[in-house]
Amino acid sequence: SQQGEEDPQALSIQEGENATMNCSYKTSINNLQWYRQNSGRGLVHLILIRSNEREKHSGRLRVTLDTSKKSSSLLITASRAADTASYFCATGSSGTYKYIFGTGTRLKVLA
Amino acid sequence: DAMVIQNPRYQVTQFGKPVTLSCSQTLNHNVMYWYQQKSSQAPKLLFHYYDKDFNNEADTPDNFQSRRPNTSFCFLDIRSPGLGDAAMYLCATSRRSGSAYEQYFGPGTRLTVT
Repeated sequence: SQQGEEDPQALSIQEGENATMNCSYKTSINNLQWYRQNSGRGLVHLILIRSNEREKHSGRLRVTLDTSKKSSSLLITASRAADTASYFCATGSSGTYKYIFGTGTRLKVLA
Repeated sequence: DAMVIQNPRYQVTQFGKPVTLSCSQTLNHNVMYWYQQKSSQAPKLLFHYYDKDFNNEADTPDNFQSRRPNTSFCFLDIRSPGLGDAAMYLCATSRRSGSAYEQYFGPGTRLTVT
């Protein structure tokens, strides 16, 4: 069964705006990762946040993790048309290298 | 550049005709994965290897088999493809980062079943 549920399922914004997508999960995790997938392509790793971290930044990406609420958010600031893609969260448990992917958010950035 | 390579990128097979999808990596990672992804859905893990140790997901159909002859190569065999097996098949490898594993994906093979 899927671990993560993401919302919104789809998001359409103007270039330059910020995009926020959320991931909720059900069981305890060791770490959570975010991936991007361009249409018809493989997934690209964006950022990893561990269960003892609350926030991480990478360029225009900001990820937060609230283990008490079992949720994470991905913020993309100053979005560009090239950010148009699907974004997935993936959760990993301690002692395993298996990850369960969330349902994904389809982001469309309009130029 | 180190990478994960999948061949072919597009595969068409007939209903019931066995098909093999290939994955190779130059990253020298211990762990390799096969995922199935249907349109607008999340990738679904089929199986994974840690070195030669094979781990099958409980809900992976028996129709799907895998082989990993060495660290670099991994194969997905679909013994009798049905129309419902049409999907994108993604191969990934992972390396350890502390207690976590970051995954590196290939471009995928899109399988069409006619």
